Amino acid sequence: AQSVTQLGSHVSVSEGALVLLRCNYSSSVPPYLFWYVQYPNQGLQLLLKYTSAATLVKGINGFEAEFKKSETSFHLTKPSAHMSDAAEYFCAVSAMDSSYKLIFGSGTRLLVRP
Amino acid sequence: EPEVTQTPSHQVTQMGQEVILRCVPISNHLYFYWYRQILGQKVEFLVSFYNNEISEKSEIFDDQFSVERPDGSNFTLKIRSTKLEDSAMYFCASRSTGGQGYTFGSGTRLTVV
Repeated sequence: AQSVTQLGSHVSVSEGALVLLRCNYSSSVPPYLFWYVQYPNQGLQLLLKYTSAATLVKGINGFEAEFKKSETSFHLTKPSAHMSDAAEYFCAVSAMDSSYKLIFGSGTRLLVRP
Repeated sequence: EPEVTQTPSHQVTQMGQEVILRCVPISNHLYFYWYRQILGQKVEFLVSFYNNEISEKSEIFDDQFSVERPDGSNFTLKIRSTKLEDSAMYFCASRSTGGQGYTFGSGTRLTVV
């Protein structure tokens, strides 16, 4: 069965600093992987997705993530944090069964200090 | 860009009452889902629906829950006899074939008092 682990429930960075949000997955088959962002009291917005094409995936708002099979990781990065990046970030893996349901990690809250 | 539309955005209901949460998936999508997010927690899968029947449901989706696609456009989640612990954000999602093309709605915040 697939699962997702997000290390760090809270990450705090200074504005302009590198953002690194960690995600490790467990899957017996090549997975589909996603990062979603959730702003307060809002829905889920897709940042980017990995679907077995290029291992370095570029998303919206300057975010990117690299799929590393050997490390079973899909960490999210952004070179320079902006105040507007403050939000909750969820990593998810798609169950490779008939339902393709998404299995979410517990989330990482990103705080950006001025 | 096509959207998944959920109504209402907020609903307050008394414990024991029935609620129906409504969703209009993307028109050419074939797979439909409901997820739940209790405040401050992660998003949890409730149920998937394909070809007019449930294809998978989680342990959370017990007999008080039901889903229906009453016409060609709406997809509903009914909660019978709501409990305080049903208070959460409920997200509808739809996708085309394959596991890639997921689209989420903006959610319905359900508060049971």
